[in-house]
Amino acid sequence: QKEVEQNSGPLSVPEGAIASLNCTYSDRGSQSFFWYRQYSGKSPELIMSIYSNGDKEDGRFTAQLNKASQYVSLLIRDSQPSDSATYLCAVMTDSNYQLIWGAGTKLIIKP
Amino acid sequence: EAGVTQFPSHSVIEKGQTVTLRCDPISGHDNLYWYRRVMGKEIKFLLHFVKESKQDESGMPNNRFLAERTGGTYSTLKVQPAELEDSGVYFCASSQSHFTNEQFFGPGTRLTVL
Repeated sequence: QKEVEQNSGPLSVPEGAIASLNCTYSDRGSQSFFWYRQYSGKSPELIMSIYSNGDKEDGRFTAQLNKASQYVSLLIRDSQPSDSATYLCAVMTDSNYQLIWGAGTKLIIKP
Repeated sequence: EAGVTQFPSHSVIEKGQTVTLRCDPISGHDNLYWYRRVMGKEIKFLLHFVKESKQDESGMPNNRFLAERTGGTYSTLKVQPAELEDSGVYFCASSQSHFTNEQFFGPGTRLTVL
């Protein structure tokens, strides 16, 4: 059974600090990795995609992928109260185009 | 550029009734996906269209669910007859190509079956 695991949180981080969100996956055939942000009652919003090992930076966000360890993470620098949301990790294999989702980590940025 | 739109935003129906959900993908996106989130659970894949063809419908729960995508534009998802366990939020997403496959989500339809 394919599985994507995330700590449900909540993860509480002071404003201005770095928030670190983690995700592990079980299918070694996974090739594409995505981080979505979901505000309460809203739909998932794509914030980062990563396809190869290493780091990918976009503004205050950095995604990190380690396929050997089956681990993907998201770092948010200079956290703002508006970053408070649930962050969903989604993984795709090369055999189909389904997104396999984690349950999400609730992030709270405290002013 | 308009995003993915879904209609209705909410639907409350009685068990045994029929409901049809609609999704309009981002213009030019050939790939259209349906997902569902049942309360307390992860988002789950339902099916994938490429233009008007069903590419993958392995996530459809049973034959009470019927998805169509006429002319490769908008898609409908019909549940007939609805059961209590069908309650949840139904999301539609679209993507432009398989190469990046970044999927962009609509606002969702919250379905409540009483």
